[in-house]
Amino acid sequence: VQLVESGGGLIQPGGSLRLSCAASGFIVSSDYMNWVRQAPGKGLEWISIIYSGGSTKYADSVKGRFTISRDNSKNTLYLQMNSLRAEDTAVYYCGREYPDRGGVDVWGQGTTVTVSS
Amino acid sequence: QSVLTQPPSVSGAPGLRVTISCTGSRSNIGAGYGVHWYQQLPGTAPKLLIYDNTNRPSGVPDRFSGSKSGTSASLAITGLQAEDEADYYCQSYDSSLSGYVFGSGSKVTVL
Repeated sequence: VQLVESGGGLIQPGGSLRLSCAASGFIVSSDYMNWVRQAPGKGLEWISIIYSGGSTKYADSVKGRFTISRDNSKNTLYLQMNSLRAEDTAVYYCGREYPDRGGVDVWGQGTTVTVSS
Repeated sequence: QSVLTQPPSVSGAPGLRVTISCTGSRSNIGAGYGVHWYQQLPGTAPKLLIYDNTNRPSGVPDRFSGSKSGTSASLAITGLQAEDEADYYCQSYDSSLSGYVFGSGSKVTVL
């Protein structure tokens, strides 16, 4: 069971970026999948979840700018990030919610997004 | 300002017991939502230590235990070891925010 993120990088303010999270060993569409970020030197911040049924939730800090989605054929989770701001600079982690128990039991290694001119 | 409040730092000598508190409100912990705890070593992804208040995933030592009462939860580490030096975070769901929230984080130092 593994998650591997990609897509991070340096982007200018106002720009867009799409993060990917490829899963192996389980089916993304069958579980609840999260995105969590951590700004440099700061704590964890939950930002989004997609449920197995397809419904989604977002933190207020990213609502209207970020979109979580998945591609069942590729068993991959995505985070489309638009209108990026300096305060979005962080390590972004994807994670699977522990089925029927709660908490995030499988985490990716993280991908770094830096928003700067 | 985190919705769940934790002490910034906690310390203890090897072999002793430390506890980390996680104080919430009636819209999260007090509403009955489960509390989960994570350990994060420097430069690594978080690791799930406790789920749903008191349960340990397979492979987590029984030195780690969780409890919950009212609007607060606690993580206890007994028999403190040097390898326990890390940041620890609590997490729950908040009905007012309609989303998950993490605690502010606590750094555990082994003296």
